[in-house]
Amino acid sequence: DADVTQTPRNRITKTGKRIMLECSQTKGHDRMYWYRQDPGLGLRLIYYSFDVKDINKGEISDGYSVSRQAQAKFSLSLESAIPNQTALYFCATSDFSASEYGYTFGSGTRLTVV
Amino acid sequence: QKEVEQNSGPLSVPEGAIASLNCTYSDRGSQSFFWYRQYSGKSPELIMFIYSNGDKEDGRFTAQLNKASQYVSLLIRDSQPSDSATYLCAVREQNDYKLSFGAGTTVTVRA
Repeated sequence: DADVTQTPRNRITKTGKRIMLECSQTKGHDRMYWYRQDPGLGLRLIYYSFDVKDINKGEISDGYSVSRQAQAKFSLSLESAIPNQTALYFCATSDFSASEYGYTFGSGTRLTVV
Repeated sequence: QKEVEQNSGPLSVPEGAIASLNCTYSDRGSQSFFWYRQYSGKSPELIMFIYSNGDKEDGRFTAQLNKASQYVSLLIRDSQPSDSATYLCAVREQNDYKLSFGAGTTVTVRA
């Protein structure tokens, strides 16, 4: 099994629908992150969590919300999906210092909003 | 998040040549620097980490760091078609250890 698992892998949804992307990890890391990736824009941080009781907005949090249900689980929700949220979404984890191992990434969720 | 700039590319090199990728960063207090490789539609994978000024070599990859110039680079020697990918530079922020990513440089190795 993968260290960081994202579900679903692909999703097509309609404008205005609520959708949840899920992430679970077996790394035992405290820190978890949600990024979106668009062509030419690299990875942009949506939300991050340093432990179960700590949730922080990233640079592009508008239109998104998150829930840290447990140390191992971090979910991203789009309350009312819009077409410009079409992107590749990655969950990542790290330990406290993000030492020489950096982040561990999930396989990604390709989301299309029509 | 702090700014991380990479040469925009795409970079096309012949097989066997050296590919040179550049990255500059704005946070002078940053201490750790990473290079990730990302194949199309896949997740980024870590290929190099560096925190000391100078060069660090790992196989065909060499990372170079110059903190005074706020510059980090990646050299890929003897480039192979399998090196064709997007390379992301990431910088660890000094305050809370998050990583800031550049937009990436796409490399194509011509056979």
